[in-house]
Amino acid sequence: DAGVIQSPRHEVTEMGQEVTLRCKPISGHNSLFWYRQTMMRGLELLIYFNNNVPIDDSGMPEDRFSAKMPNASFSTLKIQPSEPRDSAVYFCASKLGSGANVLTFGAGSRLTVL
Amino acid sequence: QQPVQSPQAVILREGEDAVINCSSSKALYSVHWYRQKHGEAPVFLMILLKGGEQKGHEKISASFNEKKQQSSLYLTASQLSYSGTYFCGTSHAGGTSYGKLTFGQGTILTVHP
Repeated sequence: DAGVIQSPRHEVTEMGQEVTLRCKPISGHNSLFWYRQTMMRGLELLIYFNNNVPIDDSGMPEDRFSAKMPNASFSTLKIQPSEPRDSAVYFCASKLGSGANVLTFGAGSRLTVL
Repeated sequence: QQPVQSPQAVILREGEDAVINCSSSKALYSVHWYRQKHGEAPVFLMILLKGGEQKGHEKISASFNEKKQQSSLYLTASQLSYSGTYFCGTSHAGGTSYGKLTFGQGTILTVHP
């Protein structure tokens, strides 16, 4: 299996621009998570889906952030408009089932907003 | 609710032991341990479940005290490859909380020759 695939790996953009991060979970995994990692705040859970349905989005910082999962093999995290404080590494992770199973992370998307 | 890890950082020489602790203010359903090397994604080490079940690598040892809402990761006879940041993730019982995994701030472990 190719693992969790994220794109782009690196994104540099200017303040105010729209950013879209993409994720393909492991085939057969039905839970998908988006995390944001910064030095100051550590690994923060933004949102998680189960069977393509958003279950908990309480970690989404504000209305500028939105996430979708149109099907079992694809999810997006969109930031519009982007701000410098959004600079971080964004990880997508997936697992099988809704309980306590192994979470597999993608390689991450490093976002820099100038 | 984010779990609290301690210590924040540990420096060891090869062969020495270390313990990393994770505590929660809410009743725990499961505790997960991951290690992250610089510039890489977190990698699974172990899951400990309420009731005593464990899943993980043979060489990793951990405990889960349900009553105290705490878990500890034991790293014995450390090797250079153990260096990295260790995260504990917790989930809680009830509704959709079983599947929601929230991570602590991490413990930076450095092993010197």
